[in-house]
Amino acid sequence: GESVGLHLPTLSVQEGDNSIINCAYSNSASDYFIWYKQESGKGPQFIIDIRSNMDKRQGQRVTVLLNKTVKHLSLQIAATQPGDSAVYFCAENRGGYGGATNKLIFGTGTLLAVQP
Amino acid sequence: NAGVTQTPKFQVLKTGQSMTLQCAQDMNHNSMYWYRQDPGMGLRLIYYSASEGTTDKGEVPNGYNVSRLNKREFSLRLESAAPSQTSVYFCASSDRGTGPQHFGDGTRLSIL
Repeated sequence: GESVGLHLPTLSVQEGDNSIINCAYSNSASDYFIWYKQESGKGPQFIIDIRSNMDKRQGQRVTVLLNKTVKHLSLQIAATQPGDSAVYFCAENRGGYGGATNKLIFGTGTLLAVQP
Repeated sequence: NAGVTQTPKFQVLKTGQSMTLQCAQDMNHNSMYWYRQDPGMGLRLIYYSASEGTTDKGEVPNGYNVSRLNKREFSLRLESAAPSQTSVYFCASSDRGTGPQHFGDGTRLSIL
């Protein structure tokens, strides 16, 4: 059969620049959001999360912004480094924060390519 | 500081063979999950377990079974493997629904 290639949106940035990765989510009832980083051959690695009662949260070199009006999430990476090259996924929790489990729905991902 | 450990890392099966993928976590998490990841489709939930002794279907459960052996271990079984089950399988755990899921490094499964 015919093989289908992987067509990920790609963001190419220069080392030292800031990166912004965007994500649209679908369910207005989702109340918890997570960003993951996935390097080749590895599992998704937790970066930062945000609950729906916040619109901004900062970590080390990363900031997540949440716009509930337009159902949009973004991840900002400051001073991007070659080690930041990876696929980045957003995930929304439809299971209700504080419930027994997280029922995460993942986006298809964005490939961040950092040019030296 | 192992986190979530999956075995094996790679496996090749013939159509119709059976296989169990193993997962163990050492973070004392209550909830555990199995996902599959296919190119261009992100991660899709196969089964999850909210606590020891309970399991529930996720988005794509057909062709799979799971066992929550104890609080640490959650296994995924393919009874009769099909080529459509060729994928990368990830196990994850979380502290109920109040924190992020933490993932293992996956099992790369090819079915010929």
